[in-house]
Amino acid sequence: SQQGEEDPQALSIQEGENATMNCSYKTSINNLQWYRQNSGRGLVHLILIRSNEREKHSGRLRVTLDTSKKSSSLLITASRAADTASYFCATDAGNTGKLIFGQGTTLQVKP
Amino acid sequence: AAGVIQSPRHLIKEKRETATLKCYPIPRHDTVYWYQQGPGQDPQFLISFYEKMQSDKGSIPDRFSAQQFSDYHSELNMSSLELGDSALYFCASSLQKGLQGKLFFGSGTQLSVL
Repeated sequence: SQQGEEDPQALSIQEGENATMNCSYKTSINNLQWYRQNSGRGLVHLILIRSNEREKHSGRLRVTLDTSKKSSSLLITASRAADTASYFCATDAGNTGKLIFGQGTTLQVKP
Repeated sequence: AAGVIQSPRHLIKEKRETATLKCYPIPRHDTVYWYQQGPGQDPQFLISFYEKMQSDKGSIPDRFSAQQFSDYHSELNMSSLELGDSALYFCASSLQKGLQGKLFFGSGTQLSVL
């Protein structure tokens, strides 16, 4: 990947458990976004965190950003089978929409 | 709500053929982006247009060209297709060149080059 690593590459949990995915990036950023992709489908925007923010919440999602470590994490609480998908972080260096994606984490939530 | 529309959904071509992918952004969105996602890969930025002018360029081969028309729809033209061009091609749109950050992606065109 041009940007960095996502960790883990694959994650399998039981429904109701929490899922944490991590993302590291290489360059300075203006914002970092998380997207979800169901198999072979389009990317759906989940949440955006700006470089001057440290934590953001949206429903069952919690995102943190540590610009000193160039890393971010996505926490999905109380997971559901419908959360099964691939999750990508993407960085934008200049608020241009030219996103650099990480490699993605494949999440499987077992009912 | 209207979403980004891409056509065709699937496309099968032979090597050395030409393909044209179309993208219709969300109404009133002024910026269009093209991304390529190979099998098992992360999406890679190809090119973007703002107000019908090329805005940014990524890893787009010289064999590919794109434009944005007066109605804001965009087309990605791919010539001399190679096997390695087989991928999912996404179009996305946004307002104000991504200033608001969020991109809206279409469902993609799955291109298979045989």
